[in-house]
Amino acid sequence: DSGVTQTPKHLITATGQRVTLRCSPRSGDLSVYWYQQSLDQGLQFLIHYYNGEERAKGNILERFSAQQFPDLHSELNLSSLELGDSALYFCASTTGLAALQETQYFGPGTRLLVL
Amino acid sequence: DQQVKQNSPSLSVQEGRISILNCDYTNSMFDYFLWYKKYPAEGPTFLISISSIKDKNEDGRFTVFLNKSAKHLSLHIVPSQPGDSAVYFCAARATSYDKVIFGPGTSLSVIP
Repeated sequence: DSGVTQTPKHLITATGQRVTLRCSPRSGDLSVYWYQQSLDQGLQFLIHYYNGEERAKGNILERFSAQQFPDLHSELNLSSLELGDSALYFCASTTGLAALQETQYFGPGTRLLVL
Repeated sequence: DQQVKQNSPSLSVQEGRISILNCDYTNSMFDYFLWYKKYPAEGPTFLISISSIKDKNEDGRFTVFLNKSAKHLSLHIVPSQPGDSAVYFCAARATSYDKVIFGPGTSLSVIP
């Protein structure tokens, strides 16, 4: 158990809909990262938040947005969903700002299926 | 443009033998490399890492080798055990950017 929790574990929805994925980092961790893993793809970095502020963006679509709340949990909002958005979504946390030699602790992921 | 490549999607090894997983990268700014292991229905977990100032790092049965001139790293598992069957992701990081780039993963099967 990494200490990172993600809800829900599974989500089935229809095209055009909007969903929210939730992540709670390990106790004491200030950074949250979001990743997308599509079939046969590696982990694609989406976005990084540190202590409530956006720090870096990766290949995140404009239809997707995220935020980190004062209690440090984070939410990833996916809107106008398309079939291609079906994937595993992971969040990871670290204590600091991805300093050198700091590893990421991953949650178990949310599996999203868009029909 | 895939900056971190793992050209073998899968690998099958007999129990007790050596497993060698390879990873290539293109960005010379990368200065820290990590391997993560992922079991089905779980998130990736950190396995071992290496800084670019080293060429080898060992932790029990796991050793990572780095060849900076070739922009290549490899993970050796000796001896391989059935519990090592998982997907292994190579990842790279540069101090100048605030993100980790992951490869597509290699699925290792260790046959008893």
